[in-house]
Amino acid sequence: GQQLNQSPQSMFIQEGEDVSMNCTSSSIFNTWLWYKQEPGEGPVLLIALYKAGELTSNGRLTAQFGITRKDSFLNISASIPSDVGIYFCAGHEKTSYDKVIFGPGTSLSVIP
Amino acid sequence: EAGVAQSPRYKIIEKRQSVAFWCNPISGHATLYWYQQILGQGPKLLIQFQNNGVVDDSQLPKDRFSAERLKGVDSTLKIQPAKLEDSAVYLCASSSQGVGYTFGSGTRLTVV
Repeated sequence: GQQLNQSPQSMFIQEGEDVSMNCTSSSIFNTWLWYKQEPGEGPVLLIALYKAGELTSNGRLTAQFGITRKDSFLNISASIPSDVGIYFCAGHEKTSYDKVIFGPGTSLSVIP
Repeated sequence: EAGVAQSPRYKIIEKRQSVAFWCNPISGHATLYWYQQILGQGPKLLIQFQNNGVVDDSQLPKDRFSAERLKGVDSTLKIQPAKLEDSAVYLCASSSQGVGYTFGSGTRLTVV
């Protein structure tokens, strides 16, 4: 079946540093999604990308939909302590219904 | 708008016991999802409803898991009998169309 891979698996960075993480797939998706999950909560949608090559920003977050439609990356600029959490990419495909598959996540820790 | 409501937040049961989780999606959202999230992994789709019909239950262990969505609104997920490997967070999500789910906070199940 379809699988998503995320790298790195975990990151420890200093406050103020920029962060980059990516997501790759064995198959093509129509839409890429990036979610953040904090402890004890469900994932929250950060950014949705709808076409190949699209670059979208949400505050200090920037995400891109890869040209091959099999990858995406997420950048966080000037990290702050509240950026701590697990970041999931998810790929969406439209068949007879909407299907979304999640990656295993990148755990981000920010050291003040 | 009110978010996705789930209950209970936590549940501890012994193996071979039964357990049920409840989800109330965002009003008007036609699609409802149940995900299983094992510690350190991304959410895995168990079952997806469109209104009160099932569109994907390919990863639902049907010998022990069951789910229903009455009148296309609330949903319950049941496990009977529970196994140790069922220990996970069970997330409910809903969407009005396609992408951009809203997740609930989840139910953390511990099977001992």
